This record gives sequence, structure tokens and C-alpha cells, in this order.
Amino acid sequence: GEDVEQSLFLSVREGDSSVINCTYTDSSSTYLYWYKQEPGAGLQLLTYIFSNMDMKQDQRLTVLLNKKDKHLSLRIADTQTGDSAIYFCAEKGDYGQNFVFGPGTRLSVLP
Amino acid sequence: ETGVTQTPRHLVMGMTNKKSLKCEQHLGHNAMYWYKQSAKKPLELMFVYNFKEQTENNSVPSRFSPECPNSSHLFLHLHTLQPEDSALYLCASSLNKGSPVGELFFGEGSRLTVL
Repeated sequence: GEDVEQSLFLSVREGDSSVINCTYTDSSSTYLYWYKQEPGAGLQLLTYIFSNMDMKQDQRLTVLLNKKDKHLSLRIADTQTGDSAIYFCAEKGDYGQNFVFGPGTRLSVLP
Repeated sequence: ETGVTQTPRHLVMGMTNKKSLKCEQHLGHNAMYWYKQSAKKPLELMFVYNFKEQTENNSVPSRFSPECPNSSHLFLHLHTLQPEDSALYLCASSLNKGSPVGELFFGEGSRLTVL
């Protein structure tokens, strides 16, 4: 079945760049998403990328997609303490509702 | 303000109690979802409703009973739960018709503790 994997933990120093990685198995995935969950809150959509794109940039966020290797990454430039959260990678196909989420990566930003 | 509101935010109940979780979305979406988030399984889809019709029941035990009276409201009725049902229950909505991206918008969750 479909599967999305992420490393569970990442620690970085404030001001450094963070790179959160994700791999998925469904080659028919059309949309790939990054969600952020802060403590005690629900998930908030950060960004998404279509499968026919290699890269998407939005302010401090850069998403890279390697469709051949089924690898997605989220780079956060100049990481701040407010970026500490759990980051979920998710994928789905066209018009479908079968979102498959990864286990989430807990990002800790050290002062 | 996320556009998806869940109540209550926290709930403690005994195994013999009956309670309900409520979700309301103000985004004009046509699909609503219940997810369970726990330490064992970070995000587990429970139910999906499209235009008030249930389209997905992900092998959820019958002690969880969903209800979707209209496209804006979703309930999760709880009865005779077990301690292992303690988790964060997240409601989400999406706009699927005419929108292939169809991203999910989540509420802040209801933290349930079963004693």
C-alpha cells in the first residue's frame, strides 16, 4: 500500500537552515503537501507542490521534489524558535481524498 | 481563526459515559473528515463525508459513531470507550469539487482522555 516516511526528529541552531526529508511510495501521487503542527494545535498547511514541478519557493520555505526517487524535502532558511513544531509530509492523487500522511518530523530549534 | 472550529477542546470521560465531539466549518467546503492522532499512529483517518454522505469508514470500531447533518457540521458520538481511545481527534474539511488540489483545513482538535 501507499506509504510516506520521514525521520522523526531534527534539531538545529537558531539562524541555521533546516532540511526536513520525506519519501513516498505512490508513483501516481499528484500533489505533495507540507503541514505544520504547533503544540496543542491542529495541522496548518504550509505549502504544496504539483508532481510536475521540481521546486517551489515561498519566502523562507523551499520545497524540492525528486520524482524519480520519490523524495520530497522542505528547507526552512534562517530557522527561528517559532519554527519549532512537527512537520508532516502528505501526498494524494488527482481529485482524490485519500491523503497519506507521514509520521511527522519534530523540529527543535535551539537558541 | 482557522475556519474549522472544534468543541470541546478537552474532554475527560469514563468508559461508561456517552459524549459527543462537534466540528463546524465556515469555509464553504463540501467534504469533512475525522482523524485520530496518537503516539502510536500519528495521523489515522477515521471517517470521510462528501456532501453529507459517508464515503469512508476506515475500519473504525462501532463505539465511534459519526453524524453529518449538513456540509458545515460534523459530530463524533462516543460511547463505552476504552482507555486506548485517548487521543487528539482532529476534524478537517476540504473543497473537492472543481479543486484538484483539495488541501485539508484542520481544526485545533479535541483532546480526549478516557479513564
